[in-house]
Amino acid sequence: EIVLTQSPGTLSLSPGERATLSCRAGQSVSSSFLAWYQQKPGQAPRLLIYGASTRATGIPDRFSGSGSGTDFTLTISRLEPEDFAVYYCQQYGSSPWATFGGGTKVEIK
Amino acid sequence: EVQLVESGGGLVQPGRSLRLSCEASGFSFNDYAMHWVRQAPGKGLEWVSGISWNSVSIGYADSVKGRFTISRDNAKHSLYLQMNSLRAEDTALYYCAKEIHIQVVILRLDIWGQGTMVTVSS
Repeated sequence: EIVLTQSPGTLSLSPGERATLSCRAGQSVSSSFLAWYQQKPGQAPRLLIYGASTRATGIPDRFSGSGSGTDFTLTISRLEPEDFAVYYCQQYGSSPWATFGGGTKVEIK
Repeated sequence: EVQLVESGGGLVQPGRSLRLSCEASGFSFNDYAMHWVRQAPGKGLEWVSGISWNSVSIGYADSVKGRFTISRDNAKHSLYLQMNSLRAEDTALYYCAKEIHIQVVILRLDIWGQGTMVTVSS
């Protein structure tokens, strides 16, 4: 099983600031199989990025993903009030089919 | 409108069974792989099980293997999760989710239901 470690656990930032979230895999992950989700309190997760860097439909271009191998990054260029949420990375593998990282909470400073 | 609606959750005693359902609408259900993902209260996301569009490929997390069974009925646009031998650690909000692309299993989940809560307690 591929373990995904997200850091930091909590990121305290102000609106307008840049957020950089890290996702590190215990072994190499194909970029095609790395996704990022956003979850707000009381809501289901929302797909933001798949294939490490492709934005899902309707996702603003302030969200971008990058990385390869074992190190992946989600960047929010300028935080909007609605971006304060928990973010999860997720990879697709053989067995189990998927694992999620523990999440990074982006909170208002 | 593309929609997934889960049902079947509730309070159940340890060792008992429960069957979750997920009814899909607004898309061609029989063309998409589907998954169950759960979230324990205050915790992160855990993939539970997935099934290909034609039911040929099925996968389970190690934590539920041998106890849970996923299935689908394409004629009814429905996904199911039969949960047997339930444990306290199975307590969670269970989401069903749809793959973004047609006829692939790649765990890119673009549509999620609102979840159904399962509580395992005596």
